[in-house]
Amino acid sequence: GESVGLHLPTLSVQEGDNSIINCAYSNSASDYFIWYKQESGKGPQFIIDIRSNMDKRQGQRVTVLLNKTVKHLSLQIAATQPGDSAVYFCAVYALGGYQKVTFGIGTKLQVIP
Amino acid sequence: EPEVTQTPSHQVTQMGQEVILRCVPISNHLYFYWYRQILGQKVEFLVSFYNNEISEKSEIFDDQFSVERPDGSNFTLKIRSTKLEDSAMYFCASSEGARRTEAFFGQGTRLTVV
Repeated sequence: GESVGLHLPTLSVQEGDNSIINCAYSNSASDYFIWYKQESGKGPQFIIDIRSNMDKRQGQRVTVLLNKTVKHLSLQIAATQPGDSAVYFCAVYALGGYQKVTFGIGTKLQVIP
Repeated sequence: EPEVTQTPSHQVTQMGQEVILRCVPISNHLYFYWYRQILGQKVEFLVSFYNNEISEKSEIFDDQFSVERPDGSNFTLKIRSTKLEDSAMYFCASSEGARRTEAFFGQGTRLTVV
């Protein structure tokens, strides 16, 4: 079956430091790997995704790394800010007949000012 | 910035009652979705909708659930006879194209079944 899991339920980071949030997945047939941010009282917000044929993708202050060999995904946030405090979900999406997005449990990022 | 809006923000209903959760997707989007998140658990896919029909649904989306786009702007999720285990946050999402990774989510409706 499909499972997406996160290594740490809570991550505390000093403001200005870099954050690394990790995720493991089980379905090697996944085509896209996605990171969402969910602030309190809001719905998930797309941050960045990476296709399975890539191993690194950069956005604004964020970098996603994909290691398909060990089925591991990470989100790096540079110079973490208080506004980055939220729950971060990794998710996978497989093209084909069943195109659902499967979410992980979530990691809560707490930024210490 | 355009956004997906959901009403109500919180709905309390008695077990066995019907509820309708409402969503207004982003106006130029063509693909619509419902997800749910039971407190403390993962966000789970329920259903996707395109061209006025369900394009995909999960095993959670049984005969008690239905979706409808009654007009050009609203997208609704109906639960016919609510159960205690239907208590969750329900998120509507929409996307311009079929690529689900770029879906925009609403703020959610918290459904409490008592």
